[in-house]
Amino acid sequence: DVKVTQSSRYLVKRTGEKVFLECVQDMDHENMFWYRQDPGLGLRLIYFSYDVKMKEKGDIPEGYSVSREKKERFSLILESASTNQTSMYLCASRSGSKDGYTFGSGTRLTVV
Amino acid sequence: DAKTTQPPSMDCAEGRAANLPCNHSTISGNEYVYWYRQIHSQGPQYIIHGLKNNETNEMASLIITEDRKSSTLILPHATLRDTAVYYCIVRVALSGSARQLTFGSGTQLTVLP
Repeated sequence: DVKVTQSSRYLVKRTGEKVFLECVQDMDHENMFWYRQDPGLGLRLIYFSYDVKMKEKGDIPEGYSVSREKKERFSLILESASTNQTSMYLCASRSGSKDGYTFGSGTRLTVV
Repeated sequence: DAKTTQPPSMDCAEGRAANLPCNHSTISGNEYVYWYRQIHSQGPQYIIHGLKNNETNEMASLIITEDRKSSTLILPHATLRDTAVYYCIVRVALSGSARQLTFGSGTQLTVLP
């Protein structure tokens, strides 16, 4: 089975901190995604990547950046954490355009 | 992407088949039907998808009506671990269409012992 591993299940960070969320997949998928999930808002796409060193903005990229130096790893960076970035963050990967997404277990980030 | 409508909640007895309906009356010809589920505090899990033919895998079966305006996800022998929110999503399967993975409210399935 494809595994998408997110480095932390729970994180608490202070306002203004730089935060790194790491995601690793083990099935050589080309496509990787970062979403956040908030009650009543569903999943919202932050950034995605179709290849190494390639990134594209999703629907809500403000306040975030990403890095994909290796095919298996896709990192989400909060440049200066704010309380409105408190959320569940979900990483996903996908092989082909018709395939389903495989999600990680999520990281629940609280910014205080 | 086409909008989907699902009942907010359903119960099912353990060991029985769970049939989860989804209406997608505005679906267009190149849109696929995807099903995911999300167990509390975990990431969504892909279950199955289809275009117009019925599909079956080790987890579930997907029945799509001939006019493609509705579908049913069938869990043949529900277990307590199948308790989750089930999402029906309709989207175009094209490279670059990552934005369209929109999860609605879904159906909370509760499997009862």
